[in-house]
Amino acid sequence: QTVVTQEPSFSVSPGGTVTLTCGLSSGSVSTYSYPSWYQQTPGQAPRTLIYNTKTRSSGVPDRFSGSILGNKAALTITGAQADDECDYYCVLYVGSGISVFGGGTKLTVL
Amino acid sequence: QVQLVESGGGVVQPGRSLRLSCAASGFTFRNFGMHWVRQAPGKGLEWVAIISYDGSNKYYADSGKGRFTISRDSSNNTLYLQMNSLGVEDTAVYYCARDAVTYLSHYGMDVWGQGTTVTVSS
Repeated sequence: QTVVTQEPSFSVSPGGTVTLTCGLSSGSVSTYSYPSWYQQTPGQAPRTLIYNTKTRSSGVPDRFSGSILGNKAALTITGAQADDECDYYCVLYVGSGISVFGGGTKLTVL
Repeated sequence: QVQLVESGGGVVQPGRSLRLSCAASGFTFRNFGMHWVRQAPGKGLEWVAIISYDGSNKYYADSGKGRFTISRDSSNNTLYLQMNSLGVEDTAVYYCARDAVTYLSHYGMDVWGQGTTVTVSS
């Protein structure tokens, strides 16, 4: 069974830069994993930030960017703001029609 | 505007069935693949199933394989999830979501509904 790994938690200072990562329990993430990233505040539906590795969804500020770093997908947030404090999830396509969510990263801005 | 509205959730006994619906508006439904994603109370998001834009391909997570069936009615702009043999582990908020790219699936999701709650309990 394929497991998608994310940091359980991360902290960033207001105005700072943070990079969250998304990996595979076995193997490397590539552009053919079509990584995507989602933001979720408690009690709300997810909001799409990035799809297909680095394409920003409509209305997403360019403070959010996606990339491949080494063998993982990465979401970089620059100029962190208080309302960036929430949960972040990645999704990877693992083949045979199947996509898998990571366990999520709880981001704290302090 | 682009919108997805789920319905059909509720309280159901273990072993019973439930059908969820997702009404799409504001875009050309037949051009996009569609997903179901769920979130158990206090847990992370879990991908459940996908159907291609034309309904010809359907894929499921192991958790729902053999019990869940995804389908679509493009004449009514509606996505469905038929869930059979429900267990307490299926208790979750169920979201429908649109593929981010027309005609192509697996690139990610870009539009989400607000979710419908399914509670499996005796």
